[in-house]
Amino acid sequence: DAGVIQSPRHEVTEMGQEVTLRCKPISGHDYLFWYRQTMMRGLELLIYFNNNVPIDDSGMPEDRFSAKMPNASFSTLKIQPSEPRDSAVYFCASSLSSYNTGELFFGEGSRLTVL
Amino acid sequence: DAKTTQPPSMDCAEGRAANLPCNHSTISGNEYVYWYRQIHSQGPQYIIHGLKNNETNEMASLIITEDRKSSTLILPHATLRDTAVYYCIASYYKLSFGAGTTVTVRA
Repeated sequence: DAGVIQSPRHEVTEMGQEVTLRCKPISGHDYLFWYRQTMMRGLELLIYFNNNVPIDDSGMPEDRFSAKMPNASFSTLKIQPSEPRDSAVYFCASSLSSYNTGELFFGEGSRLTVL
Repeated sequence: DAKTTQPPSMDCAEGRAANLPCNHSTISGNEYVYWYRQIHSQGPQYIIHGLKNNETNEMASLIITEDRKSSTLILPHATLRDTAVYYCIASYYKLSFGAGTTVTVRA
């Protein structure tokens, strides 16, 4: 299996622009998670989906952030408008089962720089 | 998630066992102990998890105390490639990553 695939790997944009990060989970996995990692705040859970339905988005920082999962093989995390403080590495992860019984498989991350 | 406490850093010698401690004194009965590691710039990698019993897999062993208030991750023969940040998480519902322990394996 190819693992969790994220794109783009690197994105540099200017403040105010829309940013879309993409994730393809491992086939057959029914949970998908979006995390953000910064030096200051570490690795934070933003949102997670089960069977394409958002279950918990309490970690989404503000309305500028939105996430969708239109089907089992694709998810997007959108930031509109982007701000310099959104600069971070964004990780997507998928799991075959719920947290307490399964392991999360992480992608390689999307490094976002907002100028 | 129960709060976990890990030393910020530790060194170990290549070829020796590395014992990584984690304190989770407020863990509740249905929370598992998970260990992940993150090698520079890569996504976190699952290592092992357990509830009450000690667990072993091809990567490591997990020793959980009888009262479940602490645990130790054991890397039996550390290699240079084991240099990473190691995260201990006590959770039933969400995996929240703390600061972890930066482990440096030295030749």
